[in-house]
Amino acid sequence: SAVISQKPSRDICQRGTSLTIQCQVDSQVTMMFWYRQQPGQSLTLIATANQGSEATYESGFVIDKFPISRPNLTFSTLTVSNMSPEDSSIYLCSVEDYRGAPLHFGNGTRLTVT
Amino acid sequence: DAKTTQPTSMDCAEGRAANLPCNHSTISGNEYVYWYRQIHSQGPQYIIHGLKNNETNEMASLIITEDRKSSTLILPHATLRDTAVYYCIVRMNYGGSQGNLIFGKGTKLSVKP
Repeated sequence: SAVISQKPSRDICQRGTSLTIQCQVDSQVTMMFWYRQQPGQSLTLIATANQGSEATYESGFVIDKFPISRPNLTFSTLTVSNMSPEDSSIYLCSVEDYRGAPLHFGNGTRLTVT
Repeated sequence: DAKTTQPTSMDCAEGRAANLPCNHSTISGNEYVYWYRQIHSQGPQYIIHGLKNNETNEMASLIITEDRKSSTLILPHATLRDTAVYYCIVRMNYGGSQGNLIFGKGTKLSVKP
């Protein structure tokens, strides 16, 4: 399965600032997804990162707050904009190696907003 | 919303089999049953998946009932390192843009010495 690297692994940010999280895969993959895991909660899908086009967002998530890029088949970024303490979560990148394959996850970015 | 129901927590003695149940009574014909686990502070780890036949790999066995409305994940010889939250998820079999995973609350398995 693809090896997924997320950067940074953790960060502490001030409210009002933005953080861009990178997801790098060691091979081309068909699909990339971004998830959020709030403290003590399960994972929630933020959006599907579409290669070469705008991301598809789930209900409750908007592009202005979580802009996503996917310039090629091995890389994607998620930006958390104008952060507030409520954005403190683990953000996880997930990939599908080929159509129908099990999704695999990176180890996530642990974000704390003060 | 998640289409599965799992017990909130379970305990298992080290070295014994851990049997984790999952109900998915509304599963459709083109959906697979997937199991993941999440060990503290790590991303979810894929364990196994199946459509209607029982499946086994080096990590676990998956038993799916004939009507496909429920399944059981079996860890044959649980170790302390198997302590984690286990998620049972139904997923479209053709993946792609419909292939994302909808996570429920999962079962917290505690393996005790």
